[in-house]
Amino acid sequence: QITLKESGPTLVKPTQTLTLTCTFSGFSLSTGGVAVAWIRQPPGKALEWLALIYWDDDKRYSPSLKSRLTISKDTSKNQVVLTMTNMDPVDTATYYCAHRLGGGRVGYWGQGTLVTVSS
Amino acid sequence: QSALTQPASVSASPGQSITISCTGTSSDVGGYDYVSWYQQHPGKAPKLMIHDVSNRPSGVSDRFSGSKSGNTASLTISGLQAEDEADYYCCSYTSSTLPNVFGTGTKVTVL
Repeated sequence: QITLKESGPTLVKPTQTLTLTCTFSGFSLSTGGVAVAWIRQPPGKALEWLALIYWDDDKRYSPSLKSRLTISKDTSKNQVVLTMTNMDPVDTATYYCAHRLGGGRVGYWGQGTLVTVSS
Repeated sequence: QSALTQPASVSASPGQSITISCTGTSSDVGGYDYVSWYQQHPGKAPKLMIHDVSNRPSGVSDRFSGSKSGNTASLTISGLQAEDEADYYCCSYTSSTLPNVFGTGTKVTVL
């Protein structure tokens, strides 16, 4: 049974750095073809891909956010960490981590964590 | 990397069928057979309904079907039920650096 869960702050101030951790079980991020994705959704708006990390440590980022994002994995802890620098109120969103297979199929999602950016 | 285009809303009565379109380009929808569809109820995480254009995961009702023609993919829901009222998002593999893109989302209302 695959599960994922996001953890991190629910409130950050503008200009601060956000660090989110995805802790997962039921699969290994060292298995070929597997990736963990970070996806966000501002209130009332559409889903947006942020970053991907593959089993072989290949990392991909949203072109519009690339300069602010860093994704990393700790295979031994079954965790993936996303950092986003210089947070702004427009970054207020529910942040999801998800299990992604080839082609982009996302069969398993975390419950999501709402991050509010406000002073 | 632009979002795929979906109609903002679609509505129909119970028992009817609806089709949601998802329009992209030859660099995403038209170039790969990797289109997936997600259902999202308010306050919940998205749920995979269709993958690889027309494949249903185990447990998803056969009232949901997917197809693709050129740069446009479609999700059809037949025999519409009250529980189908939700937001629906398409997603495609793309040739971009981040190899996936979502659609703009469609709100389905069951009248």
